[in-house]
Amino acid sequence: KQEVTQIPAALSVPEGENLVLNCSFTDSAIYNLQWFRQDPGKGLTSLLLIQSSQREQTSGRLNASLDKSSGRSTLYIAASQPGDSATYLCAPGDDKIIFGKGTRLHILP
Amino acid sequence: NAGVTQTPKFQVLKTGQSMTLQCAQDMNHEYMSWYRQDPGMGLRLIHYSVGAGITDQGEVPNGYNVSRSTTEDFPLRLLSAAPSQTSVYFCASSPPLRTRPYEQYFGPGTRLTVT
Repeated sequence: KQEVTQIPAALSVPEGENLVLNCSFTDSAIYNLQWFRQDPGKGLTSLLLIQSSQREQTSGRLNASLDKSSGRSTLYIAASQPGDSATYLCAPGDDKIIFGKGTRLHILP
Repeated sequence: NAGVTQTPKFQVLKTGQSMTLQCAQDMNHEYMSWYRQDPGMGLRLIHYSVGAGITDQGEVPNGYNVSRSTTEDFPLRLLSAAPSQTSVYFCASSPPLRTRPYEQYFGPGTRLTVT
């Protein structure tokens, strides 16, 4: 059974810092891993999807890496901004996706 | 495309009442699923379907029924609501596994309160 752990559970940093959010998972037999963002009281917004044939994906200030063999993914946020404040969810898997509990990020102006 | 739509947005039920949460997608996705999200618990998979006529249980299926008579719709039924089912419910869909990239799309959620 897939188990997903996200570290840290919460993070509060000043604006402008570069951040790394970590995700580890137990079942590496996956084709994809997605990172989502969720604002309070809202739905999930897909940020990045990494396929198993890729090692990383980039979108703007976001970069996600995937190491299937070790069951790890990281989400790197460059030059953080207050608008980045949200919960970030890691979702390894293909159809029956199990989510981590997320990292709650607060960027201080 | 409207994407994944969910109705209603909000609902209050009394214990023992029944209701159906609606989910529809217009992207011709084969795979659809229902999650519930509770504080401190994250998103948990309730039921999923890999195509019309095929459904299966997720992590927390008790108290919920589903059916998939069409590709577009995947309703979630609460037969006898309980306060423990107070939660935010999300529906998701994705294309077949044989399609790349295999990306999940989420609806806006239904906030359910059972008193």
